[in-house]
Amino acid sequence: GAVVSQHPSWVICKSGTSVKIECRSLDFQATTMFWYRQFPKQSLMLMATSNEGSKATYEQGVEKDKFLINHASLTLSTLTVTSAHPEDSSFYICSALQGMNTEAFFGQGTRLTVV
Amino acid sequence: DQQVKQNSPSLSVQEGRISILNCDYTNSMFDYFLWYKKYPAEGPTFLISISSIKDKNEDGRFTVFLNKSAKHLSLHIVPSQPGDSAVYFCAASAGNTDKLIFGTGTRLQVFP
Repeated sequence: GAVVSQHPSWVICKSGTSVKIECRSLDFQATTMFWYRQFPKQSLMLMATSNEGSKATYEQGVEKDKFLINHASLTLSTLTVTSAHPEDSSFYICSALQGMNTEAFFGQGTRLTVV
Repeated sequence: DQQVKQNSPSLSVQEGRISILNCDYTNSMFDYFLWYKKYPAEGPTFLISISSIKDKNEDGRFTVFLNKSAKHLSLHIVPSQPGDSAVYFCAASAGNTDKLIFGTGTRLQVFP
């Protein structure tokens, strides 16, 4: 299947700093990418949908000013957690769609720990 | 409102036997369903999917059954293997939207 690369795989940052997570589709162009967050023992929660060249669509309850999403090209989307706090510590996963295919390919995920 | 539910948080099955993971949904607009497998600290990997026009789809050891009237789907793994031990998520999407709604996951443990 198609490959989606997410970087970094884990990051530790100090409270109040910002962290950027990259999601790249390596062998296909992804017009749509999704960002998910997983809490321990909980489901994957969709945070936002990003389409190349346009503003991301955020799910209800997700602060768009805190979780900045940029989808600058057909192969790259970034999620920036601004002014991170310990409660932002979580596992963040991106996924990408190859055209109209409804099968989503996922990145490896990023474990964010805010201390 | 949890539109996709997996009511069993965990399941333990002996190697060689059948594993059955269940998923219920409430949104009648869902027309495409998928199962994903997830190991700790990794992203989910796609297993198998089914369109609402079908009631069964089979791929090797994995079979997904869909009961639209009951708004229920299940994933059968047979024979189960220790390497199948992971968390399994069902997901659903509706119409032209590619947005996936995930269930809460079921942790499967296959023991020798």
